[in-house]
Amino acid sequence: GEDVEQSLFLSVREGDSSVINCTYTDSSSTYLYWYKQEPGAGLQLLTYIFSNMDMKQDQRLTVLLNKKDKHLSLRIADTQTGDSAIYFCAESIGQNFVFGPGTRLSVLP
Amino acid sequence: DAGITQSPRYKITETGRQVTLMCHQTWSHSYMFWYRQDLGHGLRLIYYSAAADITDKGEVPDGYVVSRSKTENFPLTLESATRSQTSVYFCASRPGPSTEQFFGPGTRLTVL
Repeated sequence: GEDVEQSLFLSVREGDSSVINCTYTDSSSTYLYWYKQEPGAGLQLLTYIFSNMDMKQDQRLTVLLNKKDKHLSLRIADTQTGDSAIYFCAESIGQNFVFGPGTRLSVLP
Repeated sequence: DAGITQSPRYKITETGRQVTLMCHQTWSHSYMFWYRQDLGHGLRLIYYSAAADITDKGEVPDGYVVSRSKTENFPLTLESATRSQTSVYFCASRPGPSTEQFFGPGTRLTVL
């Protein structure tokens, strides 16, 4: 099936690094995405990685892609309270995106 | 204003009633999508459209109808609402098949 999996919850202390993990299903996905959803809002694209890359860094965000294991991770350095949100990974399959269930990140003071 | 908008933002209705959720985008994106978001399920695709007058079913289409007579609009109709359709509905659009997808703010629908 087309199941993208993520752990549902993650808590970290402010200033620590957060690592959110995702496993996807389709090895032919061209792009893999991370979206952020703040309370009461829609999803916003955080970052994406092309499938022929294994790492992408964008300021505090680092995306790692392990194609062999179909594993994607998002690392947020120096996590802040404003990073508290739900994070969704998604893969592109044909014309559609398939989203994971989302990981709720809680940042503790 | 430019962007993707949804209306209404909140709706309460009764079982059996017809409800239409509106989605409008100003970018002339070819692709438009409707998702529902439920606890524990993440986002599930209801219907999508690759262009005006072209629509296709997603993962959970039963009980829903869509149309796309104009590129910028993609209304979603619940023909006879059921309690199981209580959810938050998100519309999205993107210009191409693998490009960034932009989401609307969502419509919270409650069916009593």
